[in-house]
Amino acid sequence: QKEVEQNSGPLSVPEGAIASLNCTYSDRVSQSFFWYRQYSGKSPELIMSIYSNGDKEDGRFTAQLNKASQYVSLLIRDSQPSDSATYLCAVNIRARNTGGFKTIFGAGTRLFVKA
Amino acid sequence: DTGVSQDPRHKITKRGQNVTFRCDPISEHNRLYWYRQTLGQGPEFLTYFQNEAQLEKSRLLSDRFSAERPKGSFSTLEIQRTEQGDSAMYLCASSPPAGSNTEAFFGQGTRLTVV
Repeated sequence: QKEVEQNSGPLSVPEGAIASLNCTYSDRVSQSFFWYRQYSGKSPELIMSIYSNGDKEDGRFTAQLNKASQYVSLLIRDSQPSDSATYLCAVNIRARNTGGFKTIFGAGTRLFVKA
Repeated sequence: DTGVSQDPRHKITKRGQNVTFRCDPISEHNRLYWYRQTLGQGPEFLTYFQNEAQLEKSRLLSDRFSAERPKGSFSTLEIQRTEQGDSAMYLCASSPPAGSNTEAFFGQGTRLTVV
């Protein structure tokens, strides 16, 4: 089982619709979860972080976390063509032998928003 | 200090040559990560440092790869005897010292092409 799993997509939604992106993770003790957006040829850009069960809203973005199900999602409301990008889920996973945590990424979901 | 800085941005090298990349993290960040990313994939964890200590190195990383962070500030990633399969984007990220609830911020990456 991969440490962080995402559906690679592509996910295509019409402009103005809600885009729903999902992610599962393997380490039950993970406490920190992140969503990054990556445009083609650019480096990942942090858009949301979430640490507690439930929802966290920031503008058109809502992150949802369910630690019992080891599941985290990102909702994008009123999707715009400029939201077209790859969305990367990242989780802090226990590092081997050190007791610390390292940030591990999923493969990303490609989102296309059609005008 | 406006962010994570990586140098060079692009590197073209012949197979068999050694290359070295540099990363300057955000100044107050004590954790530094190296990732490799190929087309259509998420960032793959290579290694990370907390201050000058290298806490973990990916099992997938061959002995041709080595990273250092001698004074706990900038870091270098060296690839010896490069192979065509090493062609990728090499991303550096840093995060602040705050337990496991930390967000990693990326540099613009070094794109390596091995010919």
